[in-house]
Order: sequence, then structure tokens, then C-alpha cells
Amino acid sequence: QSALTQPASVSGSPGQSITISCTGNSSDVGGYNYVSWYQQHPGKAPKLMIYDVTKRPSGVSNRFSGSKSGNTASLTISGLQADDEADYYCSSYTSSSTWVFGGGTKLTVL
Amino acid sequence: EVQLVESGGGLVQPGGSLRLSCAASGFTFSSYEMNWVRQAPGKGLEWVSYISSSGSTIYYADSVKGRFTISRDNAKNSLYVQVNSLRAEDTAVYYCARGPPYYYDSSGFDYWGQGTLVTVSS
Repeated sequence: QSALTQPASVSGSPGQSITISCTGNSSDVGGYNYVSWYQQHPGKAPKLMIYDVTKRPSGVSNRFSGSKSGNTASLTISGLQADDEADYYCSSYTSSSTWVFGGGTKLTVL
Repeated sequence: EVQLVESGGGLVQPGGSLRLSCAASGFTFSSYEMNWVRQAPGKGLEWVSYISSSGSTIYYADSVKGRFTISRDNAKNSLYVQVNSLRAEDTAVYYCARGPPYYYDSSGFDYWGQGTLVTVSS
């Protein structure tokens, strides 16, 4: 199972919005509404930010939103804050009854 | 408060074995699907294995199939993975991660432990 494709890095200034893409195929991202997004600060465990493509867990800011079109899912962060600087990973359930992660995207807040 | 605490990591020689454990608390462990996810130093996340709430359904990543065995003891609120025939490329922090409850058609790993480091080296 190949990893989902994410940009290696994105950046934005405080207050701006950024979008991170996550591209798979019809056997994973495109085939199921089971895409999740995780935030990971250095040395910390990942934190679930979005699940089932668009849903936010309790306690996650509504500045974080998810969407999907075809085989590509996206995470949008609006009103960027310094603490948003972290690595972000997408994940999808697959037709093999497994899960696959993206390679990760480093978000830099300028 | 939901807590997941991994243990059992360490330094092991190539070809060696370890048993990693994850102690769960703060929720009804027997109702939840569980997973192991690993992260090699400086690298991204890699899903390793899944076990259903009852333990009757199990899946593995191709990279560990035949070498790793996931299990759970719902009476002890514990998740395990037996890792055998270890290779240098298995060096990683191993996280246990909670999936959804069995009665909820959803995905996403909502709680993670702090991880336990496995280093495979001679």
C-alpha cells in the first residue's frame, strides 16, 4: 500500500488560511469517507484534528476544516496561529481493510 | 480521562523479539477498536496493525505481516503486539491508538499513547 501524497511543506502568515492536500486513489481516499487528519508537534504524539473527511472532534477549533473531492482530501486551517506550526498527516481507510498515512506536511507559520 | 500507556520498548539485536504493551484506562476498553502505529526517527507515521473490540478481526501492514502479532486482553484493559524477526527498519516509536467503538461506523484514531521506542541494532 503506497503512502498518500502530501506536500512536504506549506507556510502562511498569522491570520491567513492555508490548505494541505492529500492525494490517494479510488481504493483509499476516493473510495471511502474515512479520511482523517492529525497534528503532531515535535516530540509529541499525534492529535486527531479531523475524522470522516469533515468532522471535528470535541475540543478542536473550528478553524480546522476538512473536505474531499475525488481522490484528493484537503485540510484547511483558517486564521493561522503560531501554535498551528506542526507536522500534519492525513490518513485513509483502504479497500484492503488497512489504513494508510500520507508522508506528512510541515506547516510553518511565518 | 482516557489514557494509553505503552511499555516494552528497548534495544534489541536484529532477528530478536519484543512484546510491546499498552495499558488503557478511562474508557470501556472492550468496546473500542485499537491500533498500533509507528514512526521511525525523523520520518512519518506508518499504520502497523488493527484489532477489533472483541479481538476476532485483525489486520496487518504488509511490512510486518508474518512477523508481528497483535492481541488484546479486555479483562486487563491491555493491548499487545509481539514483534519478532526484528530488522533495522523496524526501529521506531510505537504508538497505540484508539479507534472508534464497535457500534459506531467511523474512522480516526482519537487517543494516542506517548509511544515506546524500539531500537534494532547490533
